[in-house]
Amino acid sequence: DQQVKQNSPSLSVQEGRISILNCDYTNSMFDYFLWYKKYPAEGPTFLISISSIKDKNEDGRFTVFLNKSAKHLSLHIVPSQPGDSAVYFCAAGNSGAGSYQLTFGKGTKLSVIP
Amino acid sequence: DSGVTQTPKHLITATGQRVTLRCSPRSGDLSVYWYQQSLDQGLQFLIQYYNGEERAKGNILERFSAQQFPDLHSELNLSSLELGDSALYFCASTRGGGNTIYFGEGSWLTVV
Repeated sequence: DQQVKQNSPSLSVQEGRISILNCDYTNSMFDYFLWYKKYPAEGPTFLISISSIKDKNEDGRFTVFLNKSAKHLSLHIVPSQPGDSAVYFCAAGNSGAGSYQLTFGKGTKLSVIP
Repeated sequence: DSGVTQTPKHLITATGQRVTLRCSPRSGDLSVYWYQQSLDQGLQFLIQYYNGEERAKGNILERFSAQQFPDLHSELNLSSLELGDSALYFCASTRGGGNTIYFGEGSWLTVV
């Protein structure tokens, strides 16, 4: 049972345009969410996070939106740059569980075309 | 550089063998996590240690085991290896109270 789903395995976007990556979750106990970016042959790098008490968090070109009622979050990258081409993983955790382990989606490969 | 160090970076071994993957967490981090990434799969949580004690267990096979030592480094032991164990194994760490975990660059294991 996949608790965190990224339904789009890949996404292509023109440089300068907006990239929108989506993520759905099923476990209502999740109360914080993170996005990681991964280049080939490297470990995932933390990008941005959001707590369930918020519906939006912004950091430069990256904004994460959370819709708790729909159990959906999205990552917006504006403007998209060729260096953003990577695999993006959505992750969720339950701070009440005490272990802070994260459940990851399978990732979305973003290609930004110059 | 996340500050999490994993060795070896690449490893090729035969079926039935045993290997040990090593992880040094970021300075000051008490929690260590192990994740497995197989082809076309997301990151699967295997196990977590906090200050030397097992804290949480995920989809870890009985053939696999881990430990965290007093100096906080951790080892993941994989035994009776099968072809399907070929994967990228990531170690991650956090101070324990924070929500963000930081990943190492991974150890590529190929079982032939």
